[in-house]
Amino acid sequence: AQSVTQLGSHVSVSEGALVLLRCNYSSSVPPYLFWYVQYPNQGLQLLLKYTSAATLVKGINDFEAEFKKSETSFHLTKPSAHMSDAAEYFCAVSRITQGGSEKLVFGKGTKLTVNP
Amino acid sequence: DSGVTQTPKHLITATGQRVTLRCSPRSGDLSVYWYQQSLDQGLQFLIQYYNGEERAKGNILERFSAQQFPDLHSELNLSSLELGDSALYFCASSVSGGVSYNEQFFGPGTRLTVL
Repeated sequence: AQSVTQLGSHVSVSEGALVLLRCNYSSSVPPYLFWYVQYPNQGLQLLLKYTSAATLVKGINDFEAEFKKSETSFHLTKPSAHMSDAAEYFCAVSRITQGGSEKLVFGKGTKLTVNP
Repeated sequence: DSGVTQTPKHLITATGQRVTLRCSPRSGDLSVYWYQQSLDQGLQFLIQYYNGEERAKGNILERFSAQQFPDLHSELNLSSLELGDSALYFCASSVSGGVSYNEQFFGPGTRLTVL
């Protein structure tokens, strides 16, 4: 069954530094993969998604993620962190339910702290 | 602002009680999803409705039920509440039913505390 593992529940970077948040998936077929962001006291917002059109996916706020089948990874990066990027980030994969419909399965989340 | 509204923002109740959480999707969205976010279980999909019909079911307990009304708003009913039901409950909506191709827009959530 499709699932995702996020490596590191907390990541801390300095403002202006590279952001790298790790996500590995397990899937027997090419998956659809997503990154969501949750700012404090808010709901989730879609950053980007991979649907097999291109391996490098660009999202909002200069985030991007690269699908690497050989490594079963979909890591999220941003070249230069801003203070406003402090949030929790969730990787997700779509999975087919027993009834044949789809659902999103989320990782445990990675809390990003940006230090001035 | 995602356009998805949820009421109430906070709910405090006692064990054994029943509560109803309400969600209004974005204008034009036919699909509504319910999620539970807790510290120990993380973010879990509960159930999806599409245009009034149940579309997909996740880890929803038998004590929980949901429905989507003709005006497309949805309610999540939680009964015989236990301490472990304390969590943040999110509603999300999307234009149509497919998860992979349709972006889900999340509401701000309802924080349920069971004492």
